[in-house]
Amino acid sequence: GNSVTQMEGPVTLSEEAFLTINCTYTATGYPSLFWYVQYPGEGLQLLLKATKADDKGSNKGFEATYRKETTSFHLEKGSVQVSDSAVYFCALENQAGTALIFGKGTTLSVSS
Amino acid sequence: NAGVTQTPKFQVLKTGQSMTLQCAQDMNHNSMYWYRQDPGMGLRLIYYSASEGTTDKGEVPNGYNVSRLNKREFSLRLESAAPSQTSVYFCASSRDRGSYNEQFFGPGTRLTVL
Repeated sequence: GNSVTQMEGPVTLSEEAFLTINCTYTATGYPSLFWYVQYPGEGLQLLLKATKADDKGSNKGFEATYRKETTSFHLEKGSVQVSDSAVYFCALENQAGTALIFGKGTTLSVSS
Repeated sequence: NAGVTQTPKFQVLKTGQSMTLQCAQDMNHNSMYWYRQDPGMGLRLIYYSASEGTTDKGEVPNGYNVSRLNKREFSLRLESAAPSQTSVYFCASSRDRGSYNEQFFGPGTRLTVL
C-alpha cells in the first residue's frame, strides 16, 4: 500500500534561516501529495498540495515540488519566522482513494 | 461558520468505562473521518464515512465504533476503554472523498485512560 516517510525531528532553526523538511513516498500510481501544519493546541491545517508530477505547491512562503523521479515532496522555506514553529506532516492519498496517510510529523522550532 | 467542532476537549476515563466523542461540521461536507494521534506515530485513520449512511474501517478500528448520525455529525464510541486508547483524537471532514478535497480538522479531544 501507499506510505510516506518524513525526516525525524525536532528541527531547530534561528529566525530567517532556510528550512528543508524531507518527505519521500511509496505509492501505486501518482497520488496527490500534501503538507499539513499543526500549531500548538490546534488541529491540522492544509499548508499546500500538489496533484501531479512536477507540480509545485506553495503557500505562506512554503514550497514543495512533486518529484516523480525521486518519489519526494520536500518542504522548503527561504526564511523562517518564529510563528512557523509547529509540527509539519507530509501526507498522500491511500490506495483506495478514501483517506489520507500521514507521516509521523516533524517538529520545527524557530527562535529569534 | 464554526468548521469542525469536537466535544469534549479533554476526558479522563477508567479502564472499562465507555464514552462517545462527538464531532460536527457545518460545511455541508459529505465525507468525515476519525484519526488518532500518538507521539512518534503521526495520525492514523480509525474510521471514515464517505457519505451519509456509510461507514468503513480505517487502519486501526479495533476497540471503536462509529455512527454517522446525519450529514453533519459523526461520533466515535469506545465501548470498553483501555489504556492503549490514550491518545488525541481528531475528527476531519472533506467535501467528498479523494485527494482533490482538502480535509478540515477539528481541534481534537485529548483522552486519557487510567
